[in-house]
Amino acid sequence: LAKTTQPISMDSYEGQEVNITCSHNNIATNDYITWYQQFPSQGPRFIIQGYKTKVTNEVASLFIPADRKSSTLSLPRVSLSDTAVYYCLVGDFYNQGGKLIFGQGTELSVKP
Amino acid sequence: NAGVTQTPKFQVLKTGQSMTLQCAQDMNHEYMSWYRQDPGMGLRLIHYSVGAGITDQGEVPNGYNVSRSTTEDFPLRLLSAAPSQTSVYFCASSYRTGTQETQYFGPGTRLLVL
Repeated sequence: LAKTTQPISMDSYEGQEVNITCSHNNIATNDYITWYQQFPSQGPRFIIQGYKTKVTNEVASLFIPADRKSSTLSLPRVSLSDTAVYYCLVGDFYNQGGKLIFGQGTELSVKP
Repeated sequence: NAGVTQTPKFQVLKTGQSMTLQCAQDMNHEYMSWYRQDPGMGLRLIHYSVGAGITDQGEVPNGYNVSRSTTEDFPLRLLSAAPSQTSVYFCASSYRTGTQETQYFGPGTRLLVL
């Protein structure tokens, strides 16, 4: 499974857009990119998954450039409740089901 | 649906004791996994299962055993607890739709080994 690199921490203010970038230089052809969110004392929660270009759902957007060596999670107009740790995962989830490998994650702190 | 449930929520063990952490899911998911999370760190995969009767090791399997006799249950056994196994343990289940897999995590079990 591809190794990922993310910033350890980020700060933001309520109402701002937050972009968290993840590097995955050795991503393989069959690999997808997935982001999870974890609040203190809770298990991670799936946010979004994509393969290329842009994916958007009701929570976030995921931007993936053509070379797929990085990806950016975009959270529009964050609130205090978005304070959490965000994990970027890369893997061939179709052929390696159940085997997620988490990195260190990015601790996002949203201030009033 | 109850989703993924874990018991107990909290447990204190003495070094050398054994115990089983229970995990159950009622979503008929084929995949189930166990992770541990130490303070300030990401989750590390202990064992996972791609279906009843099939299990495999993750990143940190030493000191832990698993079995999957039914689709619903995936217990994690600590054979002889050590202080290094003090951690928060998360169980997860997942399914695939096309090429996308979504994991659902339980609330966690906090384990303290003295």
